[in-house]
Amino acid sequence: NAGVMQNPRHLVRRRGQEARLRCSPMKGHSHVYWYRQLPEEGLKFMVYLQKENIIDESGMPKERFSAEFPKEGPSILRIQQVVRGDSAAYFCASSPETQNSPLHFGNGTRLTVT
Amino acid sequence: AQSVTQPDIHITVSEGASLELRCNYSYGATPYLFWYVQSPGQGLQLLLKYFSGDTLVQGIKGFEAEFKRSQSSFNLRKPSVHWSDAAEYFCAVGRLNSGYSTLTFGKGTMLLVSP
Repeated sequence: NAGVMQNPRHLVRRRGQEARLRCSPMKGHSHVYWYRQLPEEGLKFMVYLQKENIIDESGMPKERFSAEFPKEGPSILRIQQVVRGDSAAYFCASSPETQNSPLHFGNGTRLTVT
Repeated sequence: AQSVTQPDIHITVSEGASLELRCNYSYGATPYLFWYVQSPGQGLQLLLKYFSGDTLVQGIKGFEAEFKRSQSSFNLRKPSVHWSDAAEYFCAVGRLNSGYSTLTFGKGTMLLVSP
């Protein structure tokens, strides 16, 4: 049973480019969460999605960041016009529909903006 | 708003010695508490969780944690540390929002294991 799959593992972008991070949840999981980990910081919640719906985006920056979880395919976290401050590890987690089920995390995408 | 404090940024323990990692939380209701471990370049693995009931919870890899409401603490313990336990440990509190929960993490404690 494959875990949460994220790709790419490492992504390098120049300032102003777009970054697309992908996440495939565990089989049977319909809830996806995105977290960001800045250097020497804990993980910070960004957005929570169910299939085709954004449920909670209270942790997402208002500009340049967007997320989707389409009916078919992985969840995508998109960062437009990246800046150096976007350099971080971005983790996706998934859970089944059961309330308060623990989150299962992927290995993350490490974004470096040059 | 909820918050999590892990007072120790780094801890070094000799292999075979006991371990206790501290975690204090601030939350207005009954907390859902978690400990995760992160090895370098990896994602987070759940060690254990507390939702309700027995305040001493057992996890994987020989870890346990005790919920103390009076102290707002959820410290992680292991009686005998192995070199493979060297990693970063994160405490987290779950916030319940209309049927789902998001996690607030502490900044982590890096565990180093000396021979």
